[in-house]
Amino acid sequence: DAEITQSPRHKITETGRQVTLACHQTWNHNNMFWYRQDLGHGLRLIHYSYGVQDTNKGEVSDGYSVSRSNTEDLPLTLESAASSQTSVYFCASSPGGRETQYFGPGTRLLVL
Amino acid sequence: GEDVEQSLFLSVREGDSSVINCTYTDSSSTYLYWYKQEPGAGLQLLTYIFSNMDMKQDQRLTVLLNKKDKHLSLRIADTQTGDSAIYFCAERDNYGQNFVFGPGTRLSVLP
Repeated sequence: DAEITQSPRHKITETGRQVTLACHQTWNHNNMFWYRQDLGHGLRLIHYSYGVQDTNKGEVSDGYSVSRSNTEDLPLTLESAASSQTSVYFCASSPGGRETQYFGPGTRLLVL
Repeated sequence: GEDVEQSLFLSVREGDSSVINCTYTDSSSTYLYWYKQEPGAGLQLLTYIFSNMDMKQDQRLTVLLNKKDKHLSLRIADTQTGDSAIYFCAERDNYGQNFVFGPGTRLSVLP
């Protein structure tokens, strides 16, 4: 069955380190999104992509980057992890149009 | 800018009805969604409503939309312990493909 996966599911890192969170979907969806979830804020959009080689900044993009070299993957990189980036990160994809977004299981990141 | 608001917590007794409310600001929103997030999991779509509809019913779920007041509600009939989760309201306009999510309402179902 087609699906969307994230890895790792849990990560502990230190401030200043570079961290990359993986997102992989097998639906061949054009659109992919990264969100962070924090108590009281719900989901906030970090970056998104509407297709290969397309990337766009979301509401809270500072300190994060993404790249889209193929349809299936949208890795999220924290260039220099900060404690404020401790959060749960969700990747989502959608085919576009009227379709909803489909979410991955999330990655819980702790920055010490 | 766009903003979606929800109350953060709701507690109900098992068997009662739950009503989760949401307000949004973007009058151009064409689709409004309700997602459910169970502990340790991602969001799953529960239901959605098109902006030209007032109501949508799907088994125990009833969605009401008041477009004039930009108010959306989700009613869960005969609430069960398995309904305990965080419920997110989200809006999307007809032109963009991005979603704006509310902060989520944590529903606790008491025995």
